[in-house]
Amino acid sequence: QVQLKETGPGLVQPTQTLSITCTVSGFSLTSYYMQWVRQTPGKGLEWMGFIRSGGSTEYNSEFKSRLSISRDTSKNQVFLKMNSLKTEDTGVYYCATHPGNYWGQGVMVTVSS
Amino acid sequence: DVVMTQTPVSMSVSLGGQVSISCRSSQSLVHNNGNTYLSWYIQKPSQSPQLLIYKVSNRFSGISDRFSGSGSGTDFTLKISRVEPDDLGVYYCGQGTQYPYTFGAGTKLELK
Repeated sequence: QVQLKETGPGLVQPTQTLSITCTVSGFSLTSYYMQWVRQTPGKGLEWMGFIRSGGSTEYNSEFKSRLSISRDTSKNQVFLKMNSLKTEDTGVYYCATHPGNYWGQGVMVTVSS
Repeated sequence: DVVMTQTPVSMSVSLGGQVSISCRSSQSLVHNNGNTYLSWYIQKPSQSPQLLIYKVSNRFSGISDRFSGSGSGTDFTLKISRVEPDDLGVYYCGQGTQYPYTFGAGTKLELK
């Protein structure tokens, strides 16, 4: 069956870079768009961007300058990298298929020194 | 960005009752291709959001017919009939018509 699981650091220092991996099973990344959505206390659910089945990306301009989404289809993994983290980036980060039919459990990220 | 406004913020319901949740968008959600990409999700405590309805009125696989979506343009509604304990949680609408995709702030459904 379809499964998605995010792994990443629980704690990141301000100004540092966040890296999260989403490992999927039960489907091929070349058949689905994959998106990243975060949930923060300040802004609720925010769509961050996606990577298309063909490999091109689309980003929310709110994050565009510091966000990168990539993938390794051979490993069934999708990656999120975001730099210059701030305390307001604290929240739960989810990977999901697009248009939102399957979600991972999410990974809690705290940005603090 | 398209602003999604949900009302009410919270509501209480008796088991077996019916509820309606409203979602209004600041711009039309009709895509150039003619589709309207308005979805509804439920987030139960300590869980990820789960898709209920996509493209306004289409139930996702396995979703009970107690859930129904309707609306057009900028005005949408989710109705839940014969409410069960497992329906409690926060409901979100989301649009996938215009970048950046956006979500409403949520409607919390609680037991009366």
